[in-house]
Amino acid sequence: GNSVTQMEGPVTLSEEAFLTINCTYTATGYPSLFWYVQYPGEGLQLLLKATKADDKGSNKGFEATYRKETTSFHLEKGSVQVSDSAVYFCALTHAGDSGAGSYQLTFGKGTKLSVIP
Amino acid sequence: GAVVSQHPSWVICKSGTSVKIECRSLDFQATTMFWYRQFPKQSLMLMATSNEGSKATYEQGVEKDKFLINHASLTLSTLTVTSAHPEDSSFYICSARDGGTGDEKLFFGSGTQLSVL
Repeated sequence: GNSVTQMEGPVTLSEEAFLTINCTYTATGYPSLFWYVQYPGEGLQLLLKATKADDKGSNKGFEATYRKETTSFHLEKGSVQVSDSAVYFCALTHAGDSGAGSYQLTFGKGTKLSVIP
Repeated sequence: GAVVSQHPSWVICKSGTSVKIECRSLDFQATTMFWYRQFPKQSLMLMATSNEGSKATYEQGVEKDKFLINHASLTLSTLTVTSAHPEDSSFYICSARDGGTGDEKLFFGSGTQLSVL
């Protein structure tokens, strides 16, 4: 079945440090890949996504590239800010599904990021 | 942007009682809603998919008689944990699919932490 593995946290960085959160996946076919972010007290929000191999998703300075050869979708940011402190979830949709099934997400366990001034 | 309100954010109850969790889409019509559960240090796991006006579709291993889902309107879905036991203690989160704009997206509630004593 489908699964997502992401690095365990918590991750603590100083402001302006470089961030990498690793994510690898197991899936049949060609899933779409996502990073969601959950700020304290809020719901998950879509951060970025990629729908096919070699696509790069980017938003708010974060980037992730869909690497089919390594089945990875690592999240990176060149210079983190205190406001980036949150829990980050890597996820995929079930490849080949249509209709409501294409919105059923398989999540990783989440990685808590704390950025200190 | 679209907002999904989930209530309550946390609840403590006695073993054997029932708990209802509400998930509302505040500014869009949610034709489909999803309910997830996350145990400590585990991934968010899909429990069920509900479509407005029809019975929910439960994932394998999720007891439909224990986790009652009602999606009676396009803006409200409820999850009732019946006869809750300590092993039901978990983080429950809903998501709603905005199918009204043509740019269909998923929006998440902020989650409910259930503790059963």
